Amino acid sequence: GAVVSQHPSWVICKSGTSVKIECRSLDFQATTMFWYRQFPKQSLMLMATSNEGSKATYEQGVEKDKFLINHASLTLSTLTVTSAHPEDSSFYICSAPVVRGLDTEAFFGQGTRLTVV
Amino acid sequence: QKEVEQNSGPLSVPEGAIASLNCTYSDRVSQSFFWYRQYSGKSPELIMSIYSNGDKEDGRFTAQLNKASQYVSLLIRDSQPSDSATYLCAVKHGTSYGKLTFGQGTILTVHP
Repeated sequence: GAVVSQHPSWVICKSGTSVKIECRSLDFQATTMFWYRQFPKQSLMLMATSNEGSKATYEQGVEKDKFLINHASLTLSTLTVTSAHPEDSSFYICSAPVVRGLDTEAFFGQGTRLTVV
Repeated sequence: QKEVEQNSGPLSVPEGAIASLNCTYSDRVSQSFFWYRQYSGKSPELIMSIYSNGDKEDGRFTAQLNKASQYVSLLIRDSQPSDSATYLCAVKHGTSYGKLTFGQGTILTVHP
């Protein structure tokens, strides 16, 4: 099966600092990576879509200068939360689509619990 | 109106009972429908996918899709305490490449 490895699984940082989250596709090439955010007791909300070699597409209301996404290779996409604040504390999850037959299936990373203090 | 809505929870059922989870979606061009299970602090894991009207069974799980009513459901038979989790309904639009829209989730508790 397709494996997406996400690191770190949890991170605590001070307010004002930046945090980088990595998602690697281990056994397939991920031309696209979706980045989701999940607040407690809420569902996954799509933040942005990254495509290898091009600029990411951000969903409405997501600050592209705050959430920097880089997809420089077919196996690595990164999300950097810049100048983090307590309200950025959330569960961040990446997902890569893989073609399976006539459809695509989403494979998720393990998620990163970010706590900003 | 939310794009994907799930029945309000939490849902509590006794062990061995049938748990019924419901989901409606607003976009008629949606083609693919998924049920994910998410344990606290973990990422979602796929339980079932369904693409055609009717029922699809996999072990204790049965997904039902009615495109005319824009309705998809998940039945869990012989519920076990290990089934206690949040269940997320997700919809993929016909033109999107793997991009999913999730419902708000239903918390299921199976008590012994």
